[in-house]
Amino acid sequence: DAKTTQPTSMDCAEGRAANLPCNHSTISGNEYVYWYRQIHSQGPQYIIHGLKNNETNEMASLIITEDRKSSTLILPHATLRDTAVYYCIVRVAMGGGSEKLVFGKGTKLTVNP
Amino acid sequence: DGGITQSPKYLFRKEGQNVTLSCEQNLNHDAMYWYRQDPGQGLRLIYYSQIVNDFQKGDIAEGYSVSREKKESFPLTVTSAQKNPTAFYLCASSVTGVAKNIQYFGAGTRLSVL
Repeated sequence: DAKTTQPTSMDCAEGRAANLPCNHSTISGNEYVYWYRQIHSQGPQYIIHGLKNNETNEMASLIITEDRKSSTLILPHATLRDTAVYYCIVRVAMGGGSEKLVFGKGTKLTVNP
Repeated sequence: DGGITQSPKYLFRKEGQNVTLSCEQNLNHDAMYWYRQDPGQGLRLIYYSQIVNDFQKGDIAEGYSVSREKKESFPLTVTSAQKNPTAFYLCASSVTGVAKNIQYFGAGTRLSVL
């Protein structure tokens, strides 16, 4: 029941910007987009989230299109330690007012020296 | 240091045995979650709890049980009814309310069958 589509894998050169796309064409007006990443054999790590405005924090920037049907996570200066699986997530209602995050297969980003 | 602690890091289960995975958090979060991850796959929700003494089934609860007697603790038992328990198990916690979808994860427990 994943509501997002991401490329399976991407490569990026160390020091360059990594731009990770995500399609979420069925997103509702009040649903946020969340990004997490998972370094091999570790727990996922929250990166950033947004509703409609572009967001930036110390880890990344999130650009959301005006129609909110897609977004791009930008790592401005990728390092080898950014090699990970990146998950783009929209919450899913579970009934009874509860919601869950659906972690699909994500995008495997490899940063090359 | 605030965070989520999962133990043990590696666990082996014998046929017909129940095993319990520990998850403790000192973030003062009300909500806690258990996920299962199989190789090359995303995470699937097993159980979640939004408050002490209350928990709900996720997508793949069969063969698992949980308890939430304390705010800080949310142990997961993998019962003998779970016929394919080999996986990476992840525990997470969050606040409730607006920021509930910002979840903090532990380092995981890798469970294998002997």
